[in-house]
Amino acid sequence: GAGVSQTPSNKVTEKGKYVELRCDPISGHTALYWYRQSLGQGPEFLIYFQGTGAADDSGLPNDRFFAVRPEGSVSTLKIQRTERGDSAVYLCASSLIDSYNEQFFGPGTRLTVL
Amino acid sequence: AQTVTQSQPEMSVQEAETVTLSCTYDTSESDYYLFWYKQPPSRQMILVIRQEAYKQQNATENRFSVNFQKAAKSFSLKISDSQLGDAAMYFCASYRPDMRFGAGTRLTVKP
Repeated sequence: GAGVSQTPSNKVTEKGKYVELRCDPISGHTALYWYRQSLGQGPEFLIYFQGTGAADDSGLPNDRFFAVRPEGSVSTLKIQRTERGDSAVYLCASSLIDSYNEQFFGPGTRLTVL
Repeated sequence: AQTVTQSQPEMSVQEAETVTLSCTYDTSESDYYLFWYKQPPSRQMILVIRQEAYKQQNATENRFSVNFQKAAKSFSLKISDSQLGDAAMYFCASYRPDMRFGAGTRLTVKP
């Protein structure tokens, strides 16, 4: 497909479990971003990749959150020991170079922690 | 860190009329970018318009235009000839040093 895809679209898990959320960016986009959007809020920046490396991970809330992009394309956001407060929509976006360029967003993964 | 404030949680406009959504921001950067994104119920964020802070001319994209007041740190979005498809959440965002979004304004378009 031509756009950013995210899987799964919905994920329900129990408190304390481990989850992985996947993002497939637009082909050729070197920059990739993860955001978290809580109900009634705007997206909150989590982490930014330039190629394979995390250029800015200052938005990750704590060490339970980790993201990788091993080959510079697909990225996985990993959350350990999930808490009810982690429930949100997790958005991924990609852009050609960096945020000066338009960020193209995926449809998000809605994570619900019971 | 920069902040972005949208003071209108909800706005309503009659179809074919004009509506203005407000946004103020605060940043210590001299060079930055400002954006308006639209988020329909499908959750997919769509870029509406972008403004480079170093440009004095207000950006325009068809029915969408901005009023960028750099000194006042204000960046409002004007939607002309509103259409039913414009109904969505609208988020103002600033880039530099990182991407920050406002809390959003829910726009309703009445037929």
